Amino acid sequence: GDSVTQMEGPVTLSEEAFLTINCTYTATGYPSLFWYVQYPGEGLQLLLKATKADDKGSNKGFEATYRKETTSFHLEKGSVQVSDSAVYFCAMFMDTGRRALTFGSGTRLQVQP
Amino acid sequence: DGGITQSPKYLFRKEGQNVTLSCEQNLNHDAMYWYRQDPGQGLRLIYYSQIVNDFQKGDIAEGYSVSREKKESFPLTVTSAQKNPTAFYLCASIKSGQVGQPQHFGDGTRLSIL
Repeated sequence: GDSVTQMEGPVTLSEEAFLTINCTYTATGYPSLFWYVQYPGEGLQLLLKATKADDKGSNKGFEATYRKETTSFHLEKGSVQVSDSAVYFCAMFMDTGRRALTFGSGTRLQVQP
Repeated sequence: DGGITQSPKYLFRKEGQNVTLSCEQNLNHDAMYWYRQDPGQGLRLIYYSQIVNDFQKGDIAEGYSVSREKKESFPLTVTSAQKNPTAFYLCASIKSGQVGQPQHFGDGTRLSIL
């Protein structure tokens, strides 16, 4: 079945370090892909998205490229800040069938000053 | 501004009690969803509804019930049959018919057992 796999955390980085959080998906079609961020005690906020192969989503210095050949959507940021500390979720959405998000298990990022 | 409102923010359930979590949206979205989040885990789909008066079971529907009598409202009832209800519950919605539209989320309800 459809699934999303992302790297386990926590990921601990120093401020201004480079960030990569890996995400791969398994799907029977061509999903839209998303990264959501969750701050403590809050709901999920959309960080970025890509709807077709080779699309690059970007927002707030974060980027991710939809790679169909490797079924991946890795999240990157060149220089993280303490304020980026949160849990990051990779998710996919199929426009057929039940039309609901399928989530990865989340990756906690801790950025130290 | 439009959005999704979940209430209450915190809820406590006694043994054998049913509790209802509220979810209201003013985004004019067609589809609505309920997810459950456990510590250190991703979100799992409980129920979803694509249109008014219709809803479908998700992956973990046992012990839960929903209704969709109005487009803007999708309440979730956690029944006494749900033996492990302690979790963070998130409601989401989306406008149907547009490829790549993101789901919007409420701020969640944290349910605990007394």
